[in-house]
Amino acid sequence: DSGVTQTPKHLITATGQRVTLRCSPRSGDLSVYWYQQSLDQGLQFLIQYYNGEERAKGNILERFSAQQFPDLHSELNLSSLELGDSALYFCASSVGREGVSEQYFGPGTRLTVT
Amino acid sequence: DQQVKQNSPSLSVQEGRISILNCDYTNSMFDYFLWYKKYPAEGPTFLISISSIKDKNEDGRFTVFLNKSAKHLSLHIVPSQPGDSAVYFCAAPGANNLFFGTGTRLTVIP
Repeated sequence: DSGVTQTPKHLITATGQRVTLRCSPRSGDLSVYWYQQSLDQGLQFLIQYYNGEERAKGNILERFSAQQFPDLHSELNLSSLELGDSALYFCASSVGREGVSEQYFGPGTRLTVT
Repeated sequence: DQQVKQNSPSLSVQEGRISILNCDYTNSMFDYFLWYKKYPAEGPTFLISISSIKDKNEDGRFTVFLNKSAKHLSLHIVPSQPGDSAVYFCAAPGANNLFFGTGTRLTVIP
């Protein structure tokens, strides 16, 4: 158990809809990262938050947004969903701001867009 | 542009034998590399890392080798056990995130 929790585990929704994925980092970790893993792809970095502030952006679509709340949990909002958004979405956390040496991953949310 | 590449999507090995998982990278600025292991329905978990100042790092049955001139690293698992069956990702840190390979699915046959 990494200490990172993600809800829900599975989500099935229709095209055009909007969903919210939730992540709670490990106790004490200030950075939260979101990754997307599509079929047969590696994990693609979407966005990082550090202590409530957006720190870095990766390949995140404009239809997607995220935020980190004062209690450090984070939400990833996906809107105007398309079939191609079906993927595993992982949240990871780390202690520091330059959080690349070791990240702890949650179990992921599997999103299916029909 | 895939900066970290794992060209073998799958590997099958007999229990007790050596498993060798390979990874190539394109960015010569990478100075640290990590291997993650992922079981179904779980997130990736950190396995072992190596700094570019070393060419080898060993942790129990797991050894990672780094060849900087070839921009290549490999993970050796000896002896392989059925519980090692998982997807293995290599990764390298960028400024703010990890760049992951596409993973290699290892199956250890009892």
